[in-house]
Amino acid sequence: DAGVIQSPRHEVTEMGQEVTLRCKPISGHDYLFWYRQTMMRGLELLIYFNNNVPIDDSGMPEDRFSAKMPNASFSTLKIQPSEPRDSAVYFCASSPGLAGGRNEQFFGPGTRLTVL
Amino acid sequence: DQQVKQNSPSLSVQEGRISILNCDYTNSMFDYFLWYKKYPAEGPTFLISISSIKDKNEDGRFTVFLNKSAKHLSLHIVPSQPGDSAVYFCATGANNLFFGTGTRLTVIP
Repeated sequence: DAGVIQSPRHEVTEMGQEVTLRCKPISGHDYLFWYRQTMMRGLELLIYFNNNVPIDDSGMPEDRFSAKMPNASFSTLKIQPSEPRDSAVYFCASSPGLAGGRNEQFFGPGTRLTVL
Repeated sequence: DQQVKQNSPSLSVQEGRISILNCDYTNSMFDYFLWYKKYPAEGPTFLISISSIKDKNEDGRFTVFLNKSAKHLSLHIVPSQPGDSAVYFCATGANNLFFGTGTRLTVIP
């Protein structure tokens, strides 16, 4: 398996523009996670899905952020409108289960977002 | 509020010496703890874990220690190698995981 695939790897945009990040999880994994990495807060969970259904979106910072998983092999994280403080590395991860980490999470390479 | 805290943002160690990375957590109900390792331009990868029924778990050069009363865990790397230079995250949770802010380890040749 190719692992978790994310695109684009880098995104530079201007404040106010819409940004869409994409993720393809590992086939057969029932859970998909979106994280954001910043210096101040480390790896923050934004939202996770189970069998394509959003389970916990309490980490989504504002209404400007939205995530979808239309099928088992694709998810998007959208920011509209983007702001400079959204600049971070966004990771997608997938896992066969939860159980407090007993099922390993496999991370994609991340998307580095810069909002000017 | 941070459920998992890594108070040392960085650590430098000479090759061959021991590296000790520390982590504190707040919720005593958590019963499984993990360390992830992250190289630049890559996603984090699982390194080692420990269940709360143990106080030590060893895997080659890597050992994780758990002190439940202090709600503290540590990762020991012996001997440290230049290839160990990376950011290390500790993580725990009941269902989904809470990650710390990471410690950047630099092993000096």
